[in-house]
Amino acid sequence: DSGVTQTPKHLITATGQRVTLRCSPRSGDLSVYWYQQSLDQGLQFLIQYYNGEERAKGNILERFSAQQFPDLHSELNLSSLELGDSALYFCASSVGKGYEQYFGPGTRLTVT
Amino acid sequence: ILNVEQSPQSLHVQEGDSTNFTCSFPSSNFYALHWYRWETAKSPEALFVMTLNGDEKKKGRISATLNTKEGYSYLYIKGSQPEDSATYLCASRRDRDDKIIFGKGTRLHILP
Repeated sequence: DSGVTQTPKHLITATGQRVTLRCSPRSGDLSVYWYQQSLDQGLQFLIQYYNGEERAKGNILERFSAQQFPDLHSELNLSSLELGDSALYFCASSVGKGYEQYFGPGTRLTVT
Repeated sequence: ILNVEQSPQSLHVQEGDSTNFTCSFPSSNFYALHWYRWETAKSPEALFVMTLNGDEKKKGRISATLNTKEGYSYLYIKGSQPEDSATYLCASRRDRDDKIIFGKGTRLHILP
């Protein structure tokens, strides 16, 4: 158990819908990262927050957005969902840049 | 190179033998290199973070080296055990834009 929690574990929704994935980092970690793993691609970095502020952006679509709240938990919002958004979404946390990242169990999103 | 490349893609090693594999990454604007161990149906588990040229890190039977000038890192496993069977991922972080780029992994199978 890494200490990072993600909810929900599984999510099934229809195209065009909007969902919110939630992540609680390890106690003491200020950085939260979001990653996407789809069948045909490896692990893709989406976005990083540090202490409430956006720190780095990867291949995140405009339909996706994220935020980190004052209690340091983070939410990833996915809207206008398409079939291709079906993937495993991981959250990870670390003390900061250059430190080990601890991954949560992931949320499996299925868009039908 | 602009991407992170890992080789080989897949590797079969006899139990008890030692092995190593490679991660190549962009050497310009380098900030950090991460190694992860990823077992099927689990989350990636951090092995090492390395930031300095010439860094060598060790955790039990697993060790890693880093050459930032030429852009490569080696992961070594000594005396392979069945529990070492997993996918080993490396990820490079650039300083300029903080993007994190993952390789596609080396899938290691330990043969009893």
